[in-house]
Amino acid sequence: QKEVEQDPGPLSVPEGAIVSLNCTYSNSAFQYFMWYRQYSRKGPELLMYTYSSGNKEDGRFTAQVDKSSKYISLFIRDSQPSDSATYLCAMSFDTGNQFYFGTGTSLTVIP
Amino acid sequence: DAGVIQSPRHEVTEMGQEVTLRCKPISGHDYLFWYRQTMMRGLELLIYFNNNVPIDDSGMPEDRFSAKMPNASFSTLKIQPSEPRDSAVYFCASSWGTGGKWFFGQGTRLTVV
Repeated sequence: QKEVEQDPGPLSVPEGAIVSLNCTYSNSAFQYFMWYRQYSRKGPELLMYTYSSGNKEDGRFTAQVDKSSKYISLFIRDSQPSDSATYLCAMSFDTGNQFYFGTGTSLTVIP
Repeated sequence: DAGVIQSPRHEVTEMGQEVTLRCKPISGHDYLFWYRQTMMRGLELLIYFNNNVPIDDSGMPEDRFSAKMPNASFSTLKIQPSEPRDSAVYFCASSWGTGGKWFFGQGTRLTVV
């Protein structure tokens, strides 16, 4: 079983829709949770960063961590065509040196 | 800051040749990571350094791969001899401290023919 599971998609939504991206994980010791956005032929770009459980909001983006269910989510409100990218979840232990990435979900927002 | 800088952006080489990928981390960052990304396997950690010292190289596929960090501002990943299955995008990332936020370079797209 992989440490981090992520539905690869692809996911296609109309502009303005609410997008929900999810990852599950198996190791309850993970403490740091991140979402990266990767545009085609570019490096991953840090989008959201949370420690332990709870929610974090940044503009149209909300990250949720549910440690009891070992489940993290990224919500995108009022999605825009510029949000079209691959979204990768990543997580690590408290020591924070070894990060485990999901395989990424490809998102397309149709104008 | 210019971010993490990788070179070259693209590399096409023949099987059996030596390939050297280069990375300049963000100034002040004390961790440097080398990743490989393929469609089949996603992002795989190859090796990481802390204060220029290799900490974990368990992700390095085999002895054909080697990495060095001679100083805080430069690292190389070398493949010798290269094989077609090494074709992938290689990313360098850097961060400050543990649990830090990682910043990735633009990647080097390697094609071995």
